[in-house]
Amino acid sequence: AQSVTQLDSQVPVFEEAPVELRCNYSSSVSVYLFWYVQYPNQGLQLLLKYLSGSTLVKGINGFEAEFNKSQTSFHLRKPSVHISDTAEYFCAVEKAGSGGYQKVTFGIGTKLQVIP
Amino acid sequence: GAVVSQHPSRVICKSGTSVKIECRSLDFQATTMFWYRQFPKQSLMLMATSNEGSKATYEQGVEKDKFLINHASLTLSTLTVTSAHPEDSSFYICSARDLSGGYEQYFGPGTRLTVT
Repeated sequence: AQSVTQLDSQVPVFEEAPVELRCNYSSSVSVYLFWYVQYPNQGLQLLLKYLSGSTLVKGINGFEAEFNKSQTSFHLRKPSVHISDTAEYFCAVEKAGSGGYQKVTFGIGTKLQVIP
Repeated sequence: GAVVSQHPSRVICKSGTSVKIECRSLDFQATTMFWYRQFPKQSLMLMATSNEGSKATYEQGVEKDKFLINHASLTLSTLTVTSAHPEDSSFYICSARDLSGGYEQYFGPGTRLTVT
């Protein structure tokens, strides 16, 4: 089974400052990794995903993440945050090669609070 | 991108009644849909995996007789909360996969259920 750990429940950061949201996973097999964003009372929106290939993945809204297999991490970064980035961010993992039928395991989420 | 809709967005019902929530994939066919429950300030908990034309697969601890799932077509899955109680009040989110590519899960906007 796969598991995800998001070490920070809340991350406050000033507007235009850089931010990193940490995610570590545990799995005995190859995995796919995802970051989702959730705005209040809304569903989740995919920010980016790692399936294979380049370990540096770029997503929407200026976010990027780097897959580090040796450290089993998939940290999310943005060089300069905006007020509109205030939201809950979820890291997720899925067993690779599942054909889309396996469940995705989500982390507990990190609330990013951008301070004006 | 692909769109998943949920209806209703909010529902208030009395204890003991049943509530049906619909999840539709609007512009793609979804062989598999997922139903999640999200408690305040917590992650998404997978309740069940819904496969078109077959019985849903429920996660451990989820009462299948209480949370009835029907996936009658490739674009519609329904979740019925039977004999609802206040402890069933929660945010319910569905997702669907477009298996034609990407492995992305497309999430519905969620349904806020309040049982009084």
